[in-house]
Amino acid sequence: ETGVTQSPTHLIKTRGQQVTLRCSSQSGHNTVSWYQQALGQGPQFIFQYYREEENGRGNFPPRFSGLQFPNYSSELNVNALELDDSALYLCASSLGGDGNTIYFGEGSWLTVV
Amino acid sequence: SQQGEEDPQALSIQEGENATMNCSYKTSINNLQWYRQNSGRGLVHLILIRSNEREKHSGRLRVTLDTSKKSSSLLITASRAADTASYFCATALIPRTYKYIFGTGTRLKVLA
Repeated sequence: ETGVTQSPTHLIKTRGQQVTLRCSSQSGHNTVSWYQQALGQGPQFIFQYYREEENGRGNFPPRFSGLQFPNYSSELNVNALELDDSALYLCASSLGGDGNTIYFGEGSWLTVV
Repeated sequence: SQQGEEDPQALSIQEGENATMNCSYKTSINNLQWYRQNSGRGLVHLILIRSNEREKHSGRLRVTLDTSKKSSSLLITASRAADTASYFCATALIPRTYKYIFGTGTRLKVLA
């Protein structure tokens, strides 16, 4: 196991609602990245947090936001949910953000109806 | 278009055979990683190979990297039914090495 835990594992939301996904990183890892994986596609980078600061962002709108806490756990928040937000959301932790191995959690399956 | 593209998109082999998957990318990289994903689950890290390395081994896995051709290959020897999964390459770009770009994956099916 990777030591990265995510919650919840599955959830269903209605279009327009807001959702919060949570991630606990592997012990000692100070960097958390979030990825979105649509069915049949590879993961797409959303953003990364390093020591509680956003360290980089992919091509996702501002309604995708995040937080990293002093214990390095993290949240992904998505506002004004759209049907296309239905996907597997993956959290990955690493030691430092500069091209080191990233370890993924099992993901949170989000369905927007 | 994708930075990393795996080839083939799907591969079906008999147990005991070798499986080879390829990954091509477009821009300079810091490193390249291979991951396995069982259906609907998280990604499992297999191997990281840095841009100054040419080959790495881990158990039944062998990864090569050719930076002049911007390509990598993953070889799984003596495949098992449990190797059935999707395999992804992920590249850390120079600059922006914090951001990994994944391809669309190779779906491997190993028949018992």
